[in-house]
Amino acid sequence: QSALTQPASVSGSPGQSITISCTGTSSDVGSYNLVSWYQQNPGKAPKLMIYEVSKRPSGVSNRFSGSKSGNTASLTISGLQAEDEADYYCCSYAGSSTSHVVFGGGTKLTVL
Amino acid sequence: EVQLVESGGGLVQPGGSLRLSCAGSIFTFSAYWMHWVRQAPGKGLVWVSRINSDGSSTNYADSVKGRFTVSRDNAKNTLYLQMNSLRDEDTAVYYCAREVAAAEMDVWGQGTTVTVSS
Repeated sequence: QSALTQPASVSGSPGQSITISCTGTSSDVGSYNLVSWYQQNPGKAPKLMIYEVSKRPSGVSNRFSGSKSGNTASLTISGLQAEDEADYYCCSYAGSSTSHVVFGGGTKLTVL
Repeated sequence: EVQLVESGGGLVQPGGSLRLSCAGSIFTFSAYWMHWVRQAPGKGLVWVSRINSDGSSTNYADSVKGRFTVSRDNAKNTLYLQMNSLRDEDTAVYYCAREVAAAEMDVWGQGTTVTVSS
């Protein structure tokens, strides 16, 4: 099972909005509304930011939102802040007959 | 605070074995499916394995199938990963994580480092 495809890097200025894409296949992203997004700061454990495509866990800013169209999921961060600079990973359920769970390669977000 | 704490990492020679542990606290450990996810130095997250709540069902990434075994002891609130026939490419930080929905992980441990080298 190949990793989901994310851009290696994105950047934006404070206050702007950015979107990170996550492209899979009809066997994973396209088949299940079980896409999650994780934020990871250097040397730290990942943190769940979005689950079930568009739901936010308690405590996560409403500046973070998720969506999906076909085989591609997206994470949008509005009103960029310096503290948003981190690595972001998408993840999808891939079914019980395959590798079950697949991550994206990660996207480095730089706040200019 | 809900917490997962990994232990057991270290330096091991190629072909060797290691057992990782992950202790859960402040939640009903036996009610949750659990995962192992790893991250090689400077690389992205890679899913390794998962186990259902009572330990009767397990799944593995192709890269570790036949070499790694996931298990749990719900009486001890502990998850395990037995790693055999270790290879250089198994070098990584290993995280355990709690599953909130299929393939979605809401609580992560701090990670334990495994280095496979001669």
